[in-house]
Amino acid sequence: DAGVTQSPTHLIKTRGQQVTLRCSPISGHKSVSWYQQVLGQGPQFIFQYYEKEERGRGNFPDRFSARQFPNYSSELNVNALLLGDSALYLCASSLGAGSSYNEQFFGPGTRLTVL
Amino acid sequence: AQSVTQPDIHITVSEGASLELRCNYSYGATPYLFWYVQSPGQGLQLLLKYFSGDTLVQGIKGFEAEFKRSQSSFNLRKPSVHWSDAAEYFCAVGRGGSQGNLIFGKGTKLSVKP
Repeated sequence: DAGVTQSPTHLIKTRGQQVTLRCSPISGHKSVSWYQQVLGQGPQFIFQYYEKEERGRGNFPDRFSARQFPNYSSELNVNALLLGDSALYLCASSLGAGSSYNEQFFGPGTRLTVL
Repeated sequence: AQSVTQPDIHITVSEGASLELRCNYSYGATPYLFWYVQSPGQGLQLLLKYFSGDTLVQGIKGFEAEFKRSQSSFNLRKPSVHWSDAAEYFCAVGRGGSQGNLIFGKGTKLSVKP
């Protein structure tokens, strides 16, 4: 069975540009979460979606947005990129979203570099 | 607010030696606790988790962790480290209720000496 997949693997953008990252969850999983991992830090929660609805939002500016599609895949959009947005963006999927005992399975991440 | 502290940024152990990675959490209710491992360039892999019940939990790759409520700790242990265990280890606490997001510590990098 395929795990969580993310695309692209790597991405280089310049300040002010916009970027879209994509995530496909494990088959049967209905929840997708996004995390940002800056070099040397632990992942920080950005968004959680369940059944196409936003279930949670971390402490990130409005430049960050996301959505979930009917097939449960998800996109993370970041507008007006800043140098500080350079990070590994991780997607995690789980069966449900109601409680943390829905184990989250992580994808390999998208490495975003902003120049 | 919930938080996770991993006091050790970097630990080096000899192959075959025992290992203990420390994790302290701050959470108002009964926590859901996790340990993840991340190899270079990879995503996160779940090693083990604690939700309730037995405070000593067994995970994959020979790892175990003990939940100590009185110390707000969830330390990860392994009796004999292998060179392939070199990686970064993250402790996380899960929020209950309607949100399932995880709050991670800053991680401990493990190096293994031959």
